[in-house]
Amino acid sequence: DVKVTQSSRYLVKRTGEKVFLECVQDMDHENMFWYRQDPGLGLRLIYFSYDVKMKEKGDIPEGYSVSREKKERFSLILESASTNQTSMYLCASSSSRLAGGYFGPGTRLTVT
Amino acid sequence: QKEVEQDPGPLSVPEGAIVSLNCTYSNSAFQYFMWYRQYSRKGPELLMYTYSSGNKEDGRFTAQVDKSSKYISLFIRDSQPSDSATYLCAMSANRGSTLGRLYFGRGTQLTVWP
Repeated sequence: DVKVTQSSRYLVKRTGEKVFLECVQDMDHENMFWYRQDPGLGLRLIYFSYDVKMKEKGDIPEGYSVSREKKERFSLILESASTNQTSMYLCASSSSRLAGGYFGPGTRLTVT
Repeated sequence: QKEVEQDPGPLSVPEGAIVSLNCTYSNSAFQYFMWYRQYSRKGPELLMYTYSSGNKEDGRFTAQVDKSSKYISLFIRDSQPSDSATYLCAMSANRGSTLGRLYFGRGTQLTVWP
């Protein structure tokens, strides 16, 4: 059974803080993704990675960076959090051998 | 125009009804079509996926893909209150590499009342 875990379910940070969101998957998946989900806007892809140390920009990368030092771990970094980054952040992983992706439970981030 | 269009609803039906959820898309390169279910405050879970055109059935759920019309559907028979969730369609051009990223619809919120 695929398991994708995220470091926090709920997080409250102040404007200007550096924020780290961690995601770990235990299925040896090559591909990992970070999305944010907002009411009315749906899921939007921030960054993705197809291999260790590789990263590619998604549709809304501004204000974010990522790190993938190990295959099972994909981190999302908000260099200087702003209120418009208040959102639900979802990590996902997928295998190149199978269609679809598997999501973590999400981190609800509030920036005040 | 978004690559994947999905009516957000909300959709409200009585228990036992047949539910039809739909998405349209514009990219003819899409070959893999998926439906996710997302309960409130949870991550999406993969419900079904279909390759290319045709039907796929899994219990009370049937997924249909019509590539000629660029239209996909999810049917839920004998709907239950536990089916109340947001349903997201997703599609991709390939399983892996750069083309394996998923393109999502915005989701349809479904409520099944007893």
